Amino acid sequence: DGGITQSPKYLFRKEGQNVTLSCEQNLNHDAMYWYRQDPGQGLRLIYYSQIVNDFQKGDIAEGYSVSREKKESFPLTVTSAQKNPTAFYLCASRGEDRVNIQYFGAGTRLSVL
Amino acid sequence: KQEVTQIPAALSVPEGENLVLNCSFTDSAIYNLQWFRQDPGKGLTSLLLIQSSQREQTSGRLNASLDKSSGRSTLYIAASQPGDSATYLCAVRPASGNTPLVFGKGTRLSVIA
Repeated sequence: DGGITQSPKYLFRKEGQNVTLSCEQNLNHDAMYWYRQDPGQGLRLIYYSQIVNDFQKGDIAEGYSVSREKKESFPLTVTSAQKNPTAFYLCASRGEDRVNIQYFGAGTRLSVL
Repeated sequence: KQEVTQIPAALSVPEGENLVLNCSFTDSAIYNLQWFRQDPGKGLTSLLLIQSSQREQTSGRLNASLDKSSGRSTLYIAASQPGDSATYLCAVRPASGNTPLVFGKGTRLSVIA
């Protein structure tokens, strides 16, 4: 099956702890994205990457970090500097074919203990 | 800066009604517009993508139209069913390089049996 796999589905963070959310795609897409979704606020872009070994900050990058060492993988680390990390996190990817549809993973729900 | 607005934020209709969801955007310089569906606690599922050169796209009971010059798109759902209950989001891809999608906050649809 082609698609985007996010893991874990649920994640709990303790005070002062860094946690990493996984995102893997087998769609052969160059571009990948991380969004945060809070109730009533819609989707907000955290980071995106258009090619391996390159990434750009989105609208709310503070307290987050990413890496893009492989085309298939775009992990997101929520650092201890992110004071309000409780949210639903969505990973997406998009190809550069003519159709250009963006696909999403099933999401990770992060809560603070 | 591109902004996308979806009105209303929530909509409740009886089963069997035909309905229209609205999406407006401030900058007509776009590559395409995409409509998504999101069920509670799930990721986004792509419904329809309209290229900037197209006027409409259809899939089953769904029809999406695009009027780029006026910055508007509509998603028409025919003969609504309780299973159509979800949040519907629209997003535009700005025509300025390889930039991320700009999302509206969505319309939460409830179809009452």
